[in-house]
Amino acid sequence: EDQVTQSPEALRLQEGESSSLNCSYTVSGLRGLFWYRQDPGKGPEFLFTLYSAGEEKEKERLKATLTKKESFLHITAPKPEDSATYLCAVQAGGYSTLTFGKGTMLLVSP
Amino acid sequence: ETGVTQTPRHLVMGMTNKKSLKCEQHLGHNAMYWYKQSAKKPLELMFVYNFKEQTENNSVPSRFSPECPNSSHLFLHLHTLQPEDSALYLCASSQRDRDNQPQHFGDGTRLSIL
Repeated sequence: EDQVTQSPEALRLQEGESSSLNCSYTVSGLRGLFWYRQDPGKGPEFLFTLYSAGEEKEKERLKATLTKKESFLHITAPKPEDSATYLCAVQAGGYSTLTFGKGTMLLVSP
Repeated sequence: ETGVTQTPRHLVMGMTNKKSLKCEQHLGHNAMYWYKQSAKKPLELMFVYNFKEQTENNSVPSRFSPECPNSSHLFLHLHTLQPEDSALYLCASSQRDRDNQPQHFGDGTRLSIL
């Protein structure tokens, strides 16, 4: 059974204090790893897809990396508007089905 | 309208009521999904439709009945729900025939069962 574990559950940062979120996965035949951002009262918003170990993608202050066992979402010099819950999901084996982690709730204080 | 639109945004119903949730996607996708999101739990996949055909039903109780009349519209019919069914119900769509394409989500319907 595919498993996705995100850590920490919650993270509080000061504005400008860089950090990383972790997504560990156990799947058979990874087809893709997805990062989403979810604001309160909203649906998840797509950020990145990573397909193979060693791949990296960047968007503004966010950088996602992938190894054979985990993915990191690095947040450089975060701002209060980066506060949200970040979700990780994997696609493996079955076509299109995603398995999600519980998410990391990030709060960035000014 | 763009993206994935869900209505209503909020719904309060009694356990004996019948109601429906609606989802519409304007992205030209051919696969649509229903998810349940509860506090402290991962998103749970409920149903998958590819080209209007249901391809997955993740052991969802029969009090939830999906309908997909075309590739742009998806409904979730609700009847005789239980208090534990209170949650955020999310609809998503993707392009099925392109490998590993991300799913795009609506903002959900917040459902409360009295």
